[in-house]
Amino acid sequence: QQQVKQSPQSLIVQKGGIPIINCAYENTAFDYFPWYQQFPGKGPALLIAIRPDVSEKKEGRFTISFNKSAKQFSLHIMDSQPGDSATYFCAASGYDMRFGAGTRLTVKP
Amino acid sequence: DAGVTQSPTHLIKTRGQQVTLRCSPISGHKSVSWYQQVLGQGPQFIFQYYEKEERGRGNFPDRFSARQFPNYSSELNVNALLLGDSALYLCASSLEAGNQPQHFGDGTRLSIL
Repeated sequence: QQQVKQSPQSLIVQKGGIPIINCAYENTAFDYFPWYQQFPGKGPALLIAIRPDVSEKKEGRFTISFNKSAKQFSLHIMDSQPGDSATYFCAASGYDMRFGAGTRLTVKP
Repeated sequence: DAGVTQSPTHLIKTRGQQVTLRCSPISGHKSVSWYQQVLGQGPQFIFQYYEKEERGRGNFPDRFSARQFPNYSSELNVNALLLGDSALYLCASSLEAGNQPQHFGDGTRLSIL
């Protein structure tokens, strides 16, 4: 069922670093691309989202870069903090929403 | 404002039993979607409902069913439980159906013995 491929599976950075998480999709009918952050024992929380008519969107320390021709998008976290340590999911939405497998991010102090 | 609420938070069942999970959307949201999240994986889409009508169904067997009520709350029902149904079941609400921001509850952790 998975139509969204996410990498890397896990990522470790130092505080202040810029982790980058990448996603690729197959279905050109997808037209809404959100990123979610999930902490243990909690549901996913919507971080930021983009539509394919825009190549980049920034909200606070989070930036999405979108390449429609390559069918790829990525999340950058600026000035990462230990509190950003969580699992991040990309998703792509058409009539339903398909999620990537997740990236476990660890930010070391 | 209250977010998406789900009940119960945890549930233990045995194989062959039936279970009903409940979800109350954010006030003003008319669409509810259900997802299954197995440990270590991303959520998998099960259903989307909007205005009490099913708008989408994922690749799940007929043992899974859902409905939405006039107040926009929703129930997910799973019959003839299997060990593989053990997962976190997430509910998400959105203003309308389709490509809208979806906001998730904290889920119901279902364990099958």
